[in-house]
Amino acid sequence: SQQGEEDPQALSIQEGENATMNCSYKTSINNLQWYRQNSGRGLVHLILIRSNEREKHSGRLRVTLDTSKKSSSLLITASRAADTASYFCATDASYNTDKLIFGTGTRLQVFP
Amino acid sequence: SQTIHQWPATLVQPVGSPLSLECTVEGTSNPNLYWYRQAAGRGLQLLFYSIGIDQISSEVPQNLSASRPQDRQFILSSKKLLLSDSGFYLCAWSWLDPGANVLTFGAGSRLTVL
Repeated sequence: SQQGEEDPQALSIQEGENATMNCSYKTSINNLQWYRQNSGRGLVHLILIRSNEREKHSGRLRVTLDTSKKSSSLLITASRAADTASYFCATDASYNTDKLIFGTGTRLQVFP
Repeated sequence: SQTIHQWPATLVQPVGSPLSLECTVEGTSNPNLYWYRQAAGRGLQLLFYSIGIDQISSEVPQNLSASRPQDRQFILSSKKLLLSDSGFYLCAWSWLDPGANVLTFGAGSRLTVL
């Protein structure tokens, strides 16, 4: 079953704008991760945030986690055409960190 | 450094034919290994994961099976493919960021069942 649901399903913006994607999940987690997938390729890990963290930064990426609402957001600042990809959140479960369940993904299109 | 190889990259198979997708990891030992399937334009569905040889967990009832004949080899199989088995199959291994499994994915295998 799907653990995470991302919204929006698709997002189109201009270069230089910020892009925000949201992820909601159902069960208690230890960690939440964000991955990126270019069309027809494997996924690439972007950032991990632990359940006891509220915010994390990596370059132009900012991730927040609200465990009370079971939700996370990924912000990409000053977007570039090369950021065009699908973005997925992935969660483990508090009782099983070996099992990672991915959300439905957000397709981001950045126009030059 | 660690690398993951997945093959074949593309496969077109008739309904009812068998399937074998192979995944190998180099440069690490005793990795967790995963098989996911992605339908066109959709999210990833976890099919199988393995935390060691002879330790494979199946997540979705289906006509697929997985085996781990060696520590760093993970094989996805089917005896008789269905049309619904079409999709993009992704193998991954995980490295431990303490308390978390971070996945590194292969390039994927695109299966079309006709």
